[in-house]
Amino acid sequence: DAGITQSPRHKVTETGTPVTLRCHQTENHRYMYWYRQDPGHGLRLIHYSYGVKDTDKGEVSDGYSVSRSKTEDFLLTLESATSSQTSVYFCATKGAADTEAFFGQGTRLTVV
Amino acid sequence: QKEVEQNSGPLSVPEGAIASLNCTYSDRGSQSFFWYRQYSGKSPELIMFIYSNGDKEDGRFTAQLNKASQYVSLLIRDSQPSDSATYLCAVRDSGAGSYQLTFGKGTKLSVIP
Repeated sequence: DAGITQSPRHKVTETGTPVTLRCHQTENHRYMYWYRQDPGHGLRLIHYSYGVKDTDKGEVSDGYSVSRSKTEDFLLTLESATSSQTSVYFCATKGAADTEAFFGQGTRLTVV
Repeated sequence: QKEVEQNSGPLSVPEGAIASLNCTYSDRGSQSFFWYRQYSGKSPELIMFIYSNGDKEDGRFTAQLNKASQYVSLLIRDSQPSDSATYLCAVRDSGAGSYQLTFGKGTKLSVIP
């Protein structure tokens, strides 16, 4: 298995609070991604990174920010959580542009 | 908006039969195609990838690609109950510097013993 660890695995938070999810990889992969997965919508890209300090927005980036200060870590921040951000969040990494993505175990986030 | 379309299912097949999963995509320039399997409550895991037109076989799995029709499929021969999962089709976006995969919503497969 690819060495991708997401933390926390489960979190319940209140509306309006900031939340940071962490993705840590030991594969030295260049590309990292944050997806959310919701029933009826499948996997949707939130943000991605193509190198340290190089990030870009995905399909559903509103309300989210990311940072990548080291190759191995990619952080996803919800500045002010809303109930619509209740979801399962997956981190994924790729070693090269034209290869498959490997997924972390997922984080189940509930905003109440 | 680049789209990847899959029949959501559920697709039910008897054990030992062939399961056929289909996917169409809108980005005509796409070059790389992936099939992932996702068990309930788990993360997606890669089953196969295909880059060239035609068939690619790996054990009980065969991926088929037709770029002219913008169509990719996955055949599972001798289906087993353990194959029951949601299958996700993913397409790498075309364009210079593009590193993204766009996923379909997935097809839920149920293999009946």
